[in-house]
Amino acid sequence: GAGVSQSPSNKVTEKGKDVELRCDPISGHTALYWYRQSLGQGLEFLIYFQGNSAPDKSGLPSDRFSAERTGGSVSTLTIQRTQQEDSAVYLCASSLDRGREQYFGPGTRLTVT
Amino acid sequence: GQQLNQSPQSMFIQEGEDVSMNCTSSSIFNTWLWYKQEPGEGPVLLIALYKAGELTSNGRLTAQFGITRKDSFLNISASIPSDVGIYFCAGQQYGGSQGNLIFGKGTKLSVKP
Repeated sequence: GAGVSQSPSNKVTEKGKDVELRCDPISGHTALYWYRQSLGQGLEFLIYFQGNSAPDKSGLPSDRFSAERTGGSVSTLTIQRTQQEDSAVYLCASSLDRGREQYFGPGTRLTVT
Repeated sequence: GQQLNQSPQSMFIQEGEDVSMNCTSSSIFNTWLWYKQEPGEGPVLLIALYKAGELTSNGRLTAQFGITRKDSFLNISASIPSDVGIYFCAGQQYGGSQGNLIFGKGTKLSVKP
């Protein structure tokens, strides 16, 4: 079956613009995660969705970041009024359930100019 | 926040040599995972460990979940050029509200043919 997919693969935007990043998790996976990876760094947790529960937003770096997960499947990460420090690779992962192994998508490389 | 200490940061080895890397934490984890990431791609799951003391192999890769639940190691035997990449350890705690992974900063592996 298909793995986790993300779109776009690359996004260049001007400072101050809003961007939306999309994640399609593996079918049947109830848990979905967003991470951020800055150049040469490890992965930084952003937000976690589990089924119909309220998302864990504890990793979001500012109120300019938000995410939704519609119908328990597709998720969108929105960054408002982008700043240069938002430039990074944004990775989405899904798992069958909380506590199970996470599978990652290819990421969206965001560049804010 | 919680951190995983991963070492070494980088390794330059000759093809055919064995490789060992490890992660330690001040916190107890219920799951340890090892991922490999190649340029422009998302992390790919190599091995998942769920029980303290567990030793698991995947081809030339072997990983162990430390009995204290605060550490894990990954060994690669008889390295080949395609082993090149960045290897990340990740730990997960559940029982609380968070389901996210805590990542090490990675071990960059270079293999000379």
